[in-house]
Amino acid sequence: AQSVTQLGSHVSVSEGALVLLRCNYSSSVPPYLFWYVQYPNQGLQLLLKYTTGATLVKGINGFEAEFKKSETSFHLTKPSAHMSDAAEYFCAVSEYNNNDMRFGAGTRLTVKP
Amino acid sequence: DTAVSQTPKYLVTQMGNDKSIKCEQNLGHDTMYWYKQDSKKFLKIMFSYNNKELIINETVPNRFSPKSPDKAHLNLHINSLELGDSAVYFCASSDGAGGPTDTQYFGPGTRLTVL
Repeated sequence: AQSVTQLGSHVSVSEGALVLLRCNYSSSVPPYLFWYVQYPNQGLQLLLKYTTGATLVKGINGFEAEFKKSETSFHLTKPSAHMSDAAEYFCAVSEYNNNDMRFGAGTRLTVKP
Repeated sequence: DTAVSQTPKYLVTQMGNDKSIKCEQNLGHDTMYWYKQDSKKFLKIMFSYNNKELIINETVPNRFSPKSPDKAHLNLHINSLELGDSAVYFCASSDGAGGPTDTQYFGPGTRLTVL
């Protein structure tokens, strides 16, 4: 079955700095990849997803992620962090031949003023 | 105009009790899900329903029983609650048939504490 590993349970950056949240996946078939964000006391919200086509995917709030098959990675980036980006971020993977989406353990992003 | 709503938001109860969590979506989606998020924030799917039919039923104790009276509702009933059931439970719906590329829309969660 597919799985996701998020490196770093907690990432702290300064406001205006680059945000890089790491996600590596394991899948026996071409994967579909997602990033979700969870703000405090709220449900998850989709940031972006990769299904097919262009490997660089742009999402909401200035985030983007690049699917790199050779590295089995789907890292999330944002050029300049805002205080409002502080949240928990989840990477997820699914496969074309099953309906089960698997989530990573999450990375908490803290943004310092 | 809440898209996916859950009630209650918080639920504190004693071991051995039976409780229900309700979920409603007004997005017109055909597929709904229940997830359990443990204390380490790990999110695991429990069930998914498409047009009121069960399509995913992960390894979950049979004390957990989902009920879908119509496409807009998926309730979760839990019998004989145990300490290990304490978690945040999220309902979600998706804009497809429950396929692997669906975007899922999550409710705000229900924090269940079993004493």
